[in-house]
Amino acid sequence: QKEVEQNSGPLSVPEGAIASLNCTYSDRGSQSFFWYRQYSGKSPELIMFIYSNGDKEDGRFTAQLNKASQYVSLLIRDSQPSDSATYLCAAFHSSASKIIFGSGTRLSIRP
Amino acid sequence: ETGVTQTPRHLVMGMTNKKSLKCEQHLGHNAMYWYKQSAKKPLELMFVYNFKEQTENNSVPSRFSPECPNSSHLFLHLHTLQPEDSALYLCASSHYGGGQGSREQYFGPGTRLTVT
Repeated sequence: QKEVEQNSGPLSVPEGAIASLNCTYSDRGSQSFFWYRQYSGKSPELIMFIYSNGDKEDGRFTAQLNKASQYVSLLIRDSQPSDSATYLCAAFHSSASKIIFGSGTRLSIRP
Repeated sequence: ETGVTQTPRHLVMGMTNKKSLKCEQHLGHNAMYWYKQSAKKPLELMFVYNFKEQTENNSVPSRFSPECPNSSHLFLHLHTLQPEDSALYLCASSHYGGGQGSREQYFGPGTRLTVT
């Protein structure tokens, strides 16, 4: 069983719509959760982190955490073609003291 | 320089060569990481250093040898690599310690390695 699981996609969303990216994790002891954006051939770039249940908003991005369901999501409002990238979800494992990455979801914003 | 820097950005080496990758972080972090990312594959954690001490080696072949002289610098020494070692090698840094909160890792731009 993968510790951090994401749908690989591709997820295709029209420009201007809301893109919804989902992630589940297996370790209930995970404390912090991260979303990274990675353009092709580039390194991952941190865009959000969240560690409390509920929503956290930053500009067009909203991270949502539900620890009871072991579920993290990222919403991107008013999607732009520049949002087309692979989005990596990651969870901080308190027991292992390390971040576990999912395999990423490829997002494509179509004009 | 700010953030996490890596040199070289691109490297082509033969299987008998010896080369080193360098990483430097300017964020005041105390943990550094090496990751490997092959084409269309997820990130693979290779090594973790906390306060200059290696705390993780994810069954990485001995042809990869890390070195962490201080909490700001990290090296990956390469020798007798195989073509399947061709990948993007990423360095990252973070704070490390007890308690909840910032464990986010910041990545360098990576070294694109090609083994011929």
